[in-house]
Amino acid sequence: GENVEQHPSTLSVQEGDSAVIKCTYSDSASNYFPWYKQELGKRPQLIIDIRSNVGEKKDQRIAVTLNKTAKHFSLHITETQPEDSAVYFCAASPAGGGNKLTFGTGTQLKVEL
Amino acid sequence: GAVVSQHPSRVICKSGTSVKIECRSLDFQATTMFWYRQFPKQSLMLMATSNEGSKATYEQGVEKDKFLINHASLTLSTLTVTSAHPEDSSFYICSAHRAAGELFFGEGSRLTVL
Repeated sequence: GENVEQHPSTLSVQEGDSAVIKCTYSDSASNYFPWYKQELGKRPQLIIDIRSNVGEKKDQRIAVTLNKTAKHFSLHITETQPEDSAVYFCAASPAGGGNKLTFGTGTQLKVEL
Repeated sequence: GAVVSQHPSRVICKSGTSVKIECRSLDFQATTMFWYRQFPKQSLMLMATSNEGSKATYEQGVEKDKFLINHASLTLSTLTVTSAHPEDSSFYICSAHRAAGELFFGEGSRLTVL
């Protein structure tokens, strides 16, 4: 089955700096890669996703890049703000568009003032 | 937008009792729903895939007789934790996706077994 690894497990940045979280996946059949933000005790919220026919996608301060050959994808957050502090999960799915997801282990992001 | 609702959000029960958690898709039909479990400071682990009108598909290591899943309609899936024990205490989250793709999560249910 699919195995998703995520690094780092914790990340502290100063407000205004950029944050990068990286994930690798094992199943070359995976073709949908969402990123979720989860605040304590709350449901995961989709923040951005990318499909395997695209190499990069951007939405304001958030961007995701995908390298299919290397089987890794990354989340980039620019101009970080305190409200970006949360746990971020990457995920991979073998079926396009939201089917069974395998999640990474999560990254606790802390944006310090 | 599409909403998936989960109930109850919190439940405390005594060891040995059973607890039922409901997951509803409020404005779309979901032939498939997923149940995840999340322990503190850990990732979401898929427990099972709930299929409308047929048996659920369980992930390896998940006891199907302990975690009963019923998906009786296109908008409702239920997870029943039978004979709950303290080690079953966890955050249970359901999800559903529309035919077009995006996955929506329920609010989650915090189960505490005393």
